[in-house]
Amino acid sequence: EPEVTQTPSHQVTQMGQEVILRCVPISNHLYFYWYRQILGQKVEFLVSFYNNEISEKSEIFDDQFSVERPDGSNFTLKIRSTKLEDSAMYFCASRVEETQYFGPGTRLLVL
Amino acid sequence: QQQVKQSPQSLIVQKGGISIINCAYENTAFDYFPWYQQFPGKGPALLIAIRPDVSEKKEGRFTISFNKSAKQFSLHIMDSQPGDSATYFCAARGAVGETSGSRLTFGEGTQLTVNP
Repeated sequence: EPEVTQTPSHQVTQMGQEVILRCVPISNHLYFYWYRQILGQKVEFLVSFYNNEISEKSEIFDDQFSVERPDGSNFTLKIRSTKLEDSAMYFCASRVEETQYFGPGTRLLVL
Repeated sequence: QQQVKQSPQSLIVQKGGISIINCAYENTAFDYFPWYQQFPGKGPALLIAIRPDVSEKKEGRFTISFNKSAKQFSLHIMDSQPGDSATYFCAARGAVGETSGSRLTFGEGTQLTVNP
């Protein structure tokens, strides 16, 4: 069964550094998402992406964040200058019809 | 108005028992209500979903009950098994346009433990 994959599974970085989280959505899906989950809290929407542009973003998704689909398969989330509060699990999702399929996540720890 | 409230925060059930998790929402523009199951270290996986034009949907041991007038919906897990032990999230989604409206708003999550 096709699935969303994410790399790396874990990333440790220093505050102020740039990180890029990578996702490979399911191949025939056209809608892509990033969510995050701070430890012990709910899953929060960050951004949705369709037709090579952002279709929606939350208040969390400020100028430090950007997304890109650099080729036909990858979907990336970049955090330009990480903060301590960016430490979370980041989930990529892709959608066909109504169902969003989530990847296994990247655990980001900012020190 | 975008919030989805979920309860209880944690639930312990004996094997074979019924697990019930409740959610409430405010935004009447929500039109799709999925439940996700999450095991430790994994991403949320869709369990079952419902639209507000039906009051109940059943798939195997899992049932969603939906009360549109009360703006509440619940997940019932019949004959709960130790393998059901996981975190369960309800979610809601607004009406989907071509480029917008598809974000999921999640509840706080319920950690379910099914004792053998």
